[in-house]
Amino acid sequence: GQQVMQIPQYQHVQEGEDFTTYCNSSTTLSNIQWYKQRPGGHPVFLIQLVKSGEVKKQKRLTFQFGEAKKNSSLHITATQTTDVGTYFCAGFYGQNFVFGPGTRLSVLP
Amino acid sequence: DAGVTQSPTHLIKTRGQHVTLRCSPISGHKSVSWYQQVLGQGPQFIFQYYEKEERGRGNFPDRFSARQFPNYSSELNVNALLLGDSALYLCASKLQEGRGAFFGQGTRLTVV
Repeated sequence: GQQVMQIPQYQHVQEGEDFTTYCNSSTTLSNIQWYKQRPGGHPVFLIQLVKSGEVKKQKRLTFQFGEAKKNSSLHITATQTTDVGTYFCAGFYGQNFVFGPGTRLSVLP
Repeated sequence: DAGVTQSPTHLIKTRGQHVTLRCSPISGHKSVSWYQQVLGQGPQFIFQYYEKEERGRGNFPDRFSARQFPNYSSELNVNALLLGDSALYLCASKLQEGRGAFFGQGTRLTVV
């Protein structure tokens, strides 16, 4: 079946450092979405990528969709303590979304 | 405008019991999906309903069932609860396919 993998599982950074999480699919995706979940909270939609090679930016966040539509990345520039949480990618395979296991980000002040 | 609302927020049940979880989507959203999130893992897809019809089903046993009502609210039912059913159950609604999903706060179910 479809599988979505994410690395790293955990990332600890000093405030101000950059952070990147990578998402890989076993098969080609129709599109991919990214969500952020704060500790004790629920997933919050960040963005959707649809086109091969697409790059989208939201302030300090940069999202990329691979040329083959099988991988994606989220890069945060100059992390802040408010960036703490778990970042999930969710791949759409035509019927429903499959979530990756997430990358948990800790930001040390 | 209210977001996705779920009830109850917390629930403790005994093995073998039955549970019903409820979800009200954002006004105007006709698609409702249910996810199970075990601690430390990503949400796992259980069901999707659109216009009261089941549009997708994840890899869950028949003990799990759901339905969507004319007002687009939804219920998730789980029979014969097992300890392994303990999880955060998330409901998500969206306006249409291809859009991002809006999640509710979830129902934290503990089976003892």
